[in-house]
Amino acid sequence: GDSVTQMEGPVTLSEEAFLTINCTYTATGYPSLFWYVQYPGEGLQLLLKATKADDKGSNKGFEATYRKETTSFHLEKGSVQVSDSAVYFCAPGTSYGKLTFGQGTILTVHP
Amino acid sequence: DSGVTQTPKHLITATGQRVTLRCSPRSGDLSVYWYQQSLDQGLQFLIQYYNGEERAKGNILERFSAQQFPDLHSELNLSSLELGDSALYFCASSVGSGGRPTEAFFGQGTRLTVV
Repeated sequence: GDSVTQMEGPVTLSEEAFLTINCTYTATGYPSLFWYVQYPGEGLQLLLKATKADDKGSNKGFEATYRKETTSFHLEKGSVQVSDSAVYFCAPGTSYGKLTFGQGTILTVHP
Repeated sequence: DSGVTQTPKHLITATGQRVTLRCSPRSGDLSVYWYQQSLDQGLQFLIQYYNGEERAKGNILERFSAQQFPDLHSELNLSSLELGDSALYFCASSVGSGGRPTEAFFGQGTRLTVV
């Protein structure tokens, strides 16, 4: 079945530091790839997506590139803010929209 | 606001009881998904419905069942509850038809506490 391996957390950074959260996946067919973010006490929100190989998804300064050859979709941000503190989930989506989530990576950003 | 509505937001019940969680998808979305989030298991896919029919099944216990009604809202029924069923239950919806996968939109969740 589908599976996702995410970088172990928690990740603790200082404000303005560079962020990378690694994600590799296995999925049947040709998935779309998503990063979701969960702020404390809230549901999951779509952060960015990429629907085909070599596509780059971006939003709010975050980026991730769909690497089909390495089955990876690593999340990056050049300069994190305290408000980016949250849990980040990588998820391939297959036909009919089912998402398989990684275990989530907790990010804490200190001033 | 994602457009997905879940009720109730919180639920406290005793072991052995039965509860029903409700979800109204975004307008126009035909697919509804249920997920369970717990500290030890992470975010687990339970079940998907598409336009009233079961489409995919994940790690859903036999004590749990779901359905999607003609108006597309969905209910997740949890019975013979155990302490270990305490978790956050999310509903999500998407257009969900065949073809390239689209993103799912999540509700705020129902926090179930079994005592």
